Amino acid sequence: EVQLVESGGGLVQPGESLRLSCEASGISFSSSWMSWVRHAPGKGLEWVANIKEDGSEKYYIDSVKGRFIISRDNAKNSLYLQVNSLRVEDTAVYYCARVLVDIVVVPGTIYYYFYGMDVWGQGTTVTVSS
Amino acid sequence: EIVLTQSPATLSLSPGQRATLSCRASQSVNSYLAWYQQKPGQAPRLLISAASKRAAGIPARFSGSGSGTDFTLTISSLEPEDFAVYYCQQGNNWPGTFGQGTKVEIK
Repeated sequence: EVQLVESGGGLVQPGESLRLSCEASGISFSSSWMSWVRHAPGKGLEWVANIKEDGSEKYYIDSVKGRFIISRDNAKNSLYLQVNSLRVEDTAVYYCARVLVDIVVVPGTIYYYFYGMDVWGQGTTVTVSS
Repeated sequence: EIVLTQSPATLSLSPGQRATLSCRASQSVNSYLAWYQQKPGQAPRLLISAASKRAAGIPARFSGSGSGTDFTLTISSLEPEDFAVYYCQQGNNWPGTFGQGTKVEIK
C-alpha cells in the first residue's frame, strides 16, 4: 500500500522547535522528490520546502529560510522537517507529499519543474501559542 | 512569486450539473499546473497534473485544460462526493504556489 505517515507535531511556545517526520511505504522513496506543504487554519495551502531524491538540492519559501531544515534518510524511507524558532504564524497542519518533477537539461544548466504532488500523508498539526 | 487567482470563490451547483473552475497565473507557468480536491479534515488529493493529465484513479468526469496563464478544471456532471474545495498549484517557478481555492457547494 502506498502510504506517507507524518508524526512529530504538537503544541509549543513561540521560539521553540520541533522535528516533523514522514515515513514512506509502497513508493520508490529514494527516487522521489519530496515536499512539505502546510495548511494554516482558515487559510490556503502553502508549499514550504522541497528536497531532491539524493538530498543534494533543497528549496524553501522565504518565510522559513534560516528556521526550517528539510532532510531525508533514504535508508529509512523517511523525510524530516526541523522547525526552529517557531512563530504563531507557523501554526498549521503540515503534510509531506511526493512531487512529480520534469527535468530539462540545457547545456550548463539543469532546470526542475514541479507538475503535481501525487501522494500525500494525513498531516501532523503544529500549534504555536503562548 | 507567481500569484494564482482562482474564480469563482464559491460555486453553488446541484448534483448532475457541470462545474467550470478557473485558475489564472500572474505570469506564464507553461503547463506546470496541477489541480487538487480537498475535503474537511483530509489531505489534498491530486486530480490533474501537468495541466491536463488525469491522475491515477480519478474519474473521467474531471478534466483539465489550458497552458500559459489560463487554466480550467471541468467536472462534467457533479456527483455528491465532488462537493469540496479545489486548489490549483504551479511548479514552473520556485516558490511553487497555490491558488486560494474554489469551494463547490450544494445548491
